Amino acid sequence: VQLVQSGTEVKKPGASVKVSCKASGYTFTAYYLHWVRQAPGQGLEWVGCINPNSGGTEYAQKFQGRVTMTRDTSMSTAYMELSRLKSDDTAVYYCARDGEAPWGQGTLVSVSS
Amino acid sequence: DIQMTQSPSSLSASVGDRVTITCRASQNIRIYLNWYQQKPGKAPNLLIFAASSLQSGVSSRFSGSGSGTDFTLTISSLQREDFATYYCQQSYSNLWTFGQGTKVEIK
Repeated sequence: VQLVQSGTEVKKPGASVKVSCKASGYTFTAYYLHWVRQAPGQGLEWVGCINPNSGGTEYAQKFQGRVTMTRDTSMSTAYMELSRLKSDDTAVYYCARDGEAPWGQGTLVSVSS
Repeated sequence: DIQMTQSPSSLSASVGDRVTITCRASQNIRIYLNWYQQKPGKAPNLLIFAASSLQSGVSSRFSGSGSGTDFTLTISSLQREDFATYYCQQSYSNLWTFGQGTKVEIK
């Protein structure tokens, strides 16, 4: 089982970012995928999750209206798009599968003018 | 949302010490509790799932216990490579929540 994420992103305030998470080693549609972020020196914060089978999503309230999670089952890849970026969105974003599986390696999103 | 309260936030210990970290949930989460270890610059690594099940490849000096609202992670004999930050996480709800973390430092 492996989750491989896209690379570092540098964005300006107000922009959007889309991070990908490519899954391998298991049936992509069988397990929910979650996104968790970690600001510099801070703890872990859940952003939301997607059911890759149905496409259904659940988001943390603080991100409602700014986050969109999608998936491409043909590519076994999940995506997280965060819009209207602010400086305090600067963080490492991880994807993680339900169940006992390693997390993605993380994607640094840096937001700065 | 389910709140997870972890304590202590940090501790200093010596190699060979027995270390205990606790986590309390704001409601009954049965055994849907996981423990992670995180080292600087790395993704969290699963140690314990379902409150007390040891993840494959993880040293048996790590153990977990508890159910309902109160949980414990124990390191039986602290090794140098165990100095890291530890997080509890509930998976009872799809809306995951994490404890604030416990940083284990060298005394």
